[in-house]
Amino acid sequence: ETGVTQSPTHLIKTRGQQVTLRCSSQSGHNTVSWYQQALGQGPQFIFQYYREEENGRGNFPPRFSGLQFPNYSSELNVNALELDDSALYLCASSLQGSGYNEQFFGPGTRLTVL
Amino acid sequence: DQQVKQNSPSLSVQEGRISILNCDYTNSMFDYFLWYKKYPAEGPTFLISISSIKDKNEDGRFTVFLNKSAKHLSLHIVPSQPGDSAVYFCAARDSGNTPLVFGKGTRLSVIA
Repeated sequence: ETGVTQSPTHLIKTRGQQVTLRCSSQSGHNTVSWYQQALGQGPQFIFQYYREEENGRGNFPPRFSGLQFPNYSSELNVNALELDDSALYLCASSLQGSGYNEQFFGPGTRLTVL
Repeated sequence: DQQVKQNSPSLSVQEGRISILNCDYTNSMFDYFLWYKKYPAEGPTFLISISSIKDKNEDGRFTVFLNKSAKHLSLHIVPSQPGDSAVYFCAARDSGNTPLVFGKGTRLSVIA
């Protein structure tokens, strides 16, 4: 069974640029959630994708967008990067409708915006 | 407005002793609570959970206690081991596959 994987591991961008982060969900999981973890904070929910559609969104501006593909992998896109976007971005997969569903997290992508 | 609060940023415990990590929540709609452990350069790993119909759940050295009236939960680790040194996040959600709401975490250091 393959766990949740994310790429790249680290990324450095400059303010105003755009970035795409990628996530492969755990085998058998059909739901992907993205979280932002700023330094000294807990993970904060960005959005969730299920059946290739956004299925819930946290308090993040529209320049944060995502995609889910038929194989349940997902992308997080951030446009017009700001310095405050520097954070660890975590992807978590789960199985919708499993009754209880602990989300399994990937190792994250560390984004630095200069 | 933090719905899940972990008021102790850090905790230091001797090996073999009990570690108690605390978490408070404000949203009365939360009915499922989880603890995650996070090592540096890794994603959070699920540790143990409890639903609001229970007041205790045990898994080996880890026990979670839930006090719904006080909106408080705690994680007990007995006995603590050096490998338990990590950041522990409390998380909560309401029914269904809804987003987790995390606390800021508590860094546990277990000293040999």
